[in-house]
Amino acid sequence: GAGVSQSPRYKVTKRGQDVTLRCDPISSHATLYWYQQALGQGPEFLTYFNYEAQPDKSGLPSDRFSAERPEGSISTLTIQRTEQRDSAMYRCASSPRTGSGKLFFGSGTQLSVL
Amino acid sequence: AQSVTQLGSHVSVSEGALVLLRCNYSSSVPPYLFWYVQYPNQGLQLLLKYTSAATLVKGINGFEAEFKKSETSFHLTKPSAHMSDAAEYFCAVRTGGGSEKLVFGKGTKLTVNP
Repeated sequence: GAGVSQSPRYKVTKRGQDVTLRCDPISSHATLYWYQQALGQGPEFLTYFNYEAQPDKSGLPSDRFSAERPEGSISTLTIQRTEQRDSAMYRCASSPRTGSGKLFFGSGTQLSVL
Repeated sequence: AQSVTQLGSHVSVSEGALVLLRCNYSSSVPPYLFWYVQYPNQGLQLLLKYTSAATLVKGINGFEAEFKKSETSFHLTKPSAHMSDAAEYFCAVRTGGGSEKLVFGKGTKLTVNP
């Protein structure tokens, strides 16, 4: 696609429910990143993929968080048993290759856990 | 561990005035440094990056930043502000060694007054 697309744009859920966020990167891009951004803070790294491999998931806050990119294109981020502290903007980005630092960000998914 | 400090969460300038957004970093190894900009309801966009080739880096929209190792700084400047520069600006650092993780500052919101 022309840009990084994320869906849904907004998600409101109740505490304890599972949610899945979707990211559709720029089609030619090998690398895909997930970041979490709390209000008033900068984005914080969660994990990244190089094609379908997931070399670094050190930023995932707990085992309730998981991400997939099974065919090396679209990715999903799943949060199980959501908690209020999970409320944040979740940003996906893609890059043509590893090492460039030039990330193309989507508009994000705003998650609210009630 | 790498970290970034952005001095001033809000900066206000008049149209035509100098823009100066401050960023100090902490890194135990030579860093890669970045400035990203976020316009309302959009994803973050790369303004410029420093990768040790030159200490003065020119970016898009007339912005530039100077890497000063002795001061551990990477301040962003623009000689003359335009109304369209109103946005939030994020400084970020990444070390080499294969890490893909960008560490962002908390951001500085720039307001441009007519």
